[in-house]
Amino acid sequence: KNEVEQSPQNLTAQEGEFITINCSYSVGISALHWLQQHPGGGIVSLFMLSSGKKKHGRLIATINIQEKHSSLHITASHPRDSAVYICAVVLTQGAQKLVFGQGTRLTINP
Amino acid sequence: NAGVTQTPKFQVLKTGQSMTLQCAQDMNHEYMSWYRQDPGMGLRLIHYSVGAGITDQGEVPNGYNVSRSTTEDFPLRLLSAAPSQTSVYFCASRGWGEAKNIQYFGAGTRLSVL
Repeated sequence: KNEVEQSPQNLTAQEGEFITINCSYSVGISALHWLQQHPGGGIVSLFMLSSGKKKHGRLIATINIQEKHSSLHITASHPRDSAVYICAVVLTQGAQKLVFGQGTRLTINP
Repeated sequence: NAGVTQTPKFQVLKTGQSMTLQCAQDMNHEYMSWYRQDPGMGLRLIHYSVGAGITDQGEVPNGYNVSRSTTEDFPLRLLSAAPSQTSVYFCASRGWGEAKNIQYFGAGTRLSVL
């Protein structure tokens, strides 16, 4: 079983829909990252959080440490949001290494 | 700041050839790492470094060497390329000292080994 599991693996939606991507983990962490990878391949950091909730524009990330679960929400989705979204956790042990989920491929149709 | 600069962007090798993937960052980050990304799998850690002169193995280190002679540079060497090393490679860096620093990624190197 992977230490970091994302769901769904693939998600297709219509423009304007509310999107939720989930991340569950089974290890002790000190922080969690949400990353975005566009079709060109580059990876950028969207959020880093260790508790509560963060918001940036139409993106919202939440984390529940007790339940070992995080969600990434996109409001009023747009075709330019189409990308792979990756959850990564920072381990509390082992030199704070990152462990990555497999990613969620999001496609927003106009 | 240029961020994390990774070269080359594309490379084709024959089995048995060696090569070095270059990675440089200008943010004075202590922590640098190399990952490979394969279809259907999350990024996997190859090697990492927490500062100049210090390196350690990650999850999939076999067939790769690294060194960290300066804070800025963290090259990844393929000693004798194998088809199993066909992948997309990413270099990343972040500050050290607390686990909460933003991770910065290079643009990636798409490597094919024939």
